[in-house]
Amino acid sequence: NAGVTQTPKFRVLKTGQSMTLLCAQDMNHEYMYWYRQDPGMGLRLIHYSVGEGTTAKGEVPDGYNVSRLNKREFSLRLESAAPSQTSVYFCASSPAEHQPQHFGDGTRLSIL
Amino acid sequence: GQNIDQPTEMTATEGAIVQINCTYQTSGFNGLFWYQQHAGEAPTFLSYNVLDGLEEKGRFSSFLSRSKGYSYLLLKELQMKDSASYLCAVGDSNYQLIWGAGTKLIIKP
Repeated sequence: NAGVTQTPKFRVLKTGQSMTLLCAQDMNHEYMYWYRQDPGMGLRLIHYSVGEGTTAKGEVPDGYNVSRLNKREFSLRLESAAPSQTSVYFCASSPAEHQPQHFGDGTRLSIL
Repeated sequence: GQNIDQPTEMTATEGAIVQINCTYQTSGFNGLFWYQQHAGEAPTFLSYNVLDGLEEKGRFSSFLSRSKGYSYLLLKELQMKDSASYLCAVGDSNYQLIWGAGTKLIIKP
């Protein structure tokens, strides 16, 4: 049972490059989330989706775009990467609000 | 503003008991979650409290007092594998989770 799968696991980018982080869940969850985790700080919500075809901004949405491709897949795109976006990115899913979120293994992204 | 406070780091001895506190100030309250995160890994769900009182799950228990904006996670019979960060998160009025920075728990033999 895969749960939440994120690709890639690691990536190094140069400033100004673009890339897409992919997330897929096989638990039939409605809600999906993208977080970033930085040292000494709590997880911060970037964008989230409450169902197929919907997206909404979280706490730190600037510089990121998302797409809820279908019920399973939720992608995060950096159009023009900046060093401040160096972080560990986690995708998560849950059946609904107030329910435990299940996390992927994370993508470690470094921007030089 | 919204704020969740947890101690940055705690140390305990194998076999002992440790209590990790979490205080919160959020716009609305829709439950409090505790997660465990081993270094370099994803957070995993431990417990959920929405009503006041104690929830027990094996060696782990979680307590909530909504009037005080306070929760704690109690870990009993500590094992070396319990060395990890423990994250407190509160559901706010927008049904999003607000996360604390986490408490790094170090277990010594």
